[in-house]
Amino acid sequence: DGGITQSPKYLFRKEGQNVTLSCEQNLNHDAMYWYRQDPGQGLRLIYYSQIVNDFQKGDIAEGYSVSREKKESFPLTVTSAQKNPTAFYLCASSRVSSYNSPLHFGNGTRLTVT
Amino acid sequence: RKEVEQDPGPFNVPEGATVAFNCTYSNSASQSFFWYRQDCRKEPKLLMSVYSSGNEDGRFTAQLNRASQYISLLIRDSKLSDSATYLCVVFSNTGNQFYFGTGTSLTVIP
Repeated sequence: DGGITQSPKYLFRKEGQNVTLSCEQNLNHDAMYWYRQDPGQGLRLIYYSQIVNDFQKGDIAEGYSVSREKKESFPLTVTSAQKNPTAFYLCASSRVSSYNSPLHFGNGTRLTVT
Repeated sequence: RKEVEQDPGPFNVPEGATVAFNCTYSNSASQSFFWYRQDCRKEPKLLMSVYSSGNEDGRFTAQLNRASQYISLLIRDSKLSDSATYLCVVFSNTGNQFYFGTGTSLTVIP
C-alpha cells in the first residue's frame, strides 16, 4: 500500500545535539511538507518542497534544515539553533497544483529534547 | 488576520446528537477545501473533501459557501467514536500551500 513513513516514532535527544527526522513516501507525490504541532495548537509549516532539489521556508523555518535529493525522501534536521525543539513533527505529501488533491500525513515523530 | 479560523470549542454533545462546525477562510482565491480528523497524539486523517455543490458521506455532510468564504461540517447521529479534533484545511494556489485551522474539539458523551 502507498503511504508516508516517518521514523522514528519517538526520539529523545540532549540539548545542543542536531537530530534528523526521516520521511519517505511512495505515493509518487511531487510536493512534500514538514509541520510542527505543539500541545493544544494548530499545525505550523516549517519547510516545503514542490520538486526535487528545491525547497522553500515555511512560517517557522529558523533552526531547521531540509534536503530533497530524491522525490521519495524529505528529511528534516532539527539543529541546536532551534530554541524550543520539543514537539510533534508531521511530514505530509500531495500532488502539485492538482485540484482537490488532499494532504497525506505520515504518523509523526514525537521529539523530546532535554 | 489568520488564513483559516475555527471555533476551538470544546463541543460536548450526547450520543445521537447532531453537531455542526464552521470554518472561515480569508483568501478568496482559495482553491480546495478539506475536513480532517485528528485523534489525540495521532496524525490528521482526511475525513472528506468539500465540493462546491456540497457533499455527503454517511453521517457527515460538508458544505462550501464561496460568497461568504466559509465551509461547514455537519455530523448527524453522533457516536462515541466521533470524539476527536476536526481540522478545517484550505489549499491556495497562491504559494501552493495548505492552511490549517486550529481545530475544533468534539467530545461525544454516553
